Amino acid sequence: TQLLEQSPQFLSIQEGENLTVYCNSSSVFSSLQWYRQEPGEGPVLLVTVVTGGEVKKLKRLTFQFGDARKDSSLHITAAQPGDTGLYLCAGFLEYGNKLVFGAGTILRVKS
Amino acid sequence: GAGVSQSPRYKVAKRGQDVALRCDPISGHVSLFWYQQALGQGPEFLTYFQNEAQLDKSGLPSDRFFAERPEGSVSTLKIQRTQQEDSAVYLCASSYLATSGANVLTFGAGSRLTVL
Repeated sequence: TQLLEQSPQFLSIQEGENLTVYCNSSSVFSSLQWYRQEPGEGPVLLVTVVTGGEVKKLKRLTFQFGDARKDSSLHITAAQPGDTGLYLCAGFLEYGNKLVFGAGTILRVKS
Repeated sequence: GAGVSQSPRYKVAKRGQDVALRCDPISGHVSLFWYQQALGQGPEFLTYFQNEAQLDKSGLPSDRFFAERPEGSVSTLKIQRTQQEDSAVYLCASSYLATSGANVLTFGAGSRLTVL
């Protein structure tokens, strides 16, 4: 059983559309992170959210941490082909230093 | 170097062979993590070091997997008697503690292992 459930698993959209990726758990996390991974490379950290209810913006990307620190979302506005990649949510459990990942969302943005 | 370096980038092994995968972390990073990633999936935690101490090895799939970091810097992941199900990308990450209190991980590009 995956500790972090990520949805959708795959998303194919047209350039200019908006999208949201969800990351849910029954466990509480001390912090939650979002990564983006390109083929043949390691994941690259996009953002870390630490406080329940926290919202962070990174250009066209908006990240939200749930009030109870059990879930998070990533919203992309006006997606571009350069946004194509594997998006991963990952969280540090309240106790310990193990970073656990969701299964990932493969995003394809068509021009 | 500026980033986390992993070698070899690609390794093909015959079933039953032993392999060793190396990770050179960012200088000064105390924590080091190993992950296993299947194609199109999220990384699965294998083990975690703080300096030379292996604090968590709960993700190692069997006793054929062994990791070490003897001097608190370079780490090696060793897989004995490789099996086909060991085929995956093995990712290494090193981290520092941000002022927010969260660990900030930097990943290497990974070592892709194919077991024939």
